[in-house]
Order: sequence, then C-alpha cells, then structure tokens
Amino acid sequence: DVVMTQTPLSVSVTPGQPASISCRSSRSLLQSNGKTYLSWYLQKSGQSPQLLIYETSKRFSGVPDRFTGSGSETDFTLKISRVEAEDVGIYYCMQSLQFPLFTFGQGTKLEIK
Amino acid sequence: QVQLVESGGALVKPGGSLRLSCAASGFIFSEYYMTWFRQSPGKGLEWVSYINSGGDTTAYADSVEGRFTVSRDNTKNLVHLQLTNLRIEDTAVYYCVRSVRFWGQGTRVAVSA
Repeated sequence: DVVMTQTPLSVSVTPGQPASISCRSSRSLLQSNGKTYLSWYLQKSGQSPQLLIYETSKRFSGVPDRFTGSGSETDFTLKISRVEAEDVGIYYCMQSLQFPLFTFGQGTKLEIK
Repeated sequence: QVQLVESGGALVKPGGSLRLSCAASGFIFSEYYMTWFRQSPGKGLEWVSYINSGGDTTAYADSVEGRFTVSRDNTKNLVHLQLTNLRIEDTAVYYCVRSVRFWGQGTRVAVSA
C-alpha cells in the first residue's frame, strides 16, 4: 500500500498570514497517463470531509483561489495564501493512484492564533 | 445538487450485523462509482469499499474483506453496505461518497459489549 505522511501534524496561523502543509507518498503518484493522483480534503469540526484539490493542483468547484496545490511524484504541498477563520479544521492528503484502494495522510490540524 | 444521506448506523454487540444504506439524489446515480469510507473516534480516514457504476465490480479494504458486502440498486438510487461479524475496531462514522468527491454526513456505528 502507498503510505502517505503529512507534516506538520498541527499548525497555528495568524489570520491573513500564509500556511503550508506538506504530504509525502511512499511511491510516485504519477500515472502513465501523465496525471498525478493526489487530492487534498478539509474536514471542519463536526462535518464530513470536503474536497479542495484533486490531481495535485486542480481546484474543486467552489474552492477559493487562496488554496493552491502543487508538487510532483512523491512530494506535495497545499498552500493557503491568506488564512481565514473559516479555514480551521483538519487537512488530509489522499492518494488515488492505487484506485480503488485509497489511502490518507494522518491529517494536519490548522488552528487560528 | 448532489445529496447523499446515510442511514442504518446503530449500537451493536461484537459479532453482530448491520446494514447501512445511502440514498443518492441530484445526479445520475447509475453513471458513478460509489465508495464507503470510515473514521474511528478521534482518528483519521480509512477507505472501506468500492462499487462500480454497474454494481458488478467491488473491492474492500483488507480490514473488512470477507465481513462487509457492498451493493447498489440503480433503480432506487441506493447503495448499501452490509456489515457482519462486527468487531470493536469497526466502531466509526461511515461515509457514503460519490466517487471521492462528494461526501454524505455519515452514520455512526458503535460496536460494544
């Protein structure tokens, strides 16, 4: 199975400041079709996860453009350009290269200072 | 809009059984594969099962293989997850997910003596 590792496990950010979360996979998520199957989700308190980014850098419908995904092969980053109070929650990366066996990172808790 | 409503969660004893259901609306159900994920209390996310759009291909996580069975009824826009021989470690919120993009609100399963 592909193992996903996120860092840091928690981050505290002042509103308006940027934030960055890293995700590393145990093997390349680049498929022969040229797509890299890494997604990011945000789970707010008491809610189900919501998709933010898919295929490494594609923003899902309705996701604000302050969220940016980047990376390649085994190293990925989610950046929030200016953190807002509504961004609080736990962020998960997920690989879907081994479809339909999906695996997640441990999660990164984002808090507001 | 896409709606997924899970039901059937309950408190059961080890070795017991449950049937979870997910009612889908707002999209052409028969065109999408469906997945189930779960989240144990205070823990991360775990993929549980997959069923293709036609219902003739399924897959399961090793942790539930042989105990859980996924099925769907494309005439009623329903997907089911039959849970048997339940273990304490199956305690979790179970989410019905369209592809991996749209998540239901979840239904709680508690396994306890």
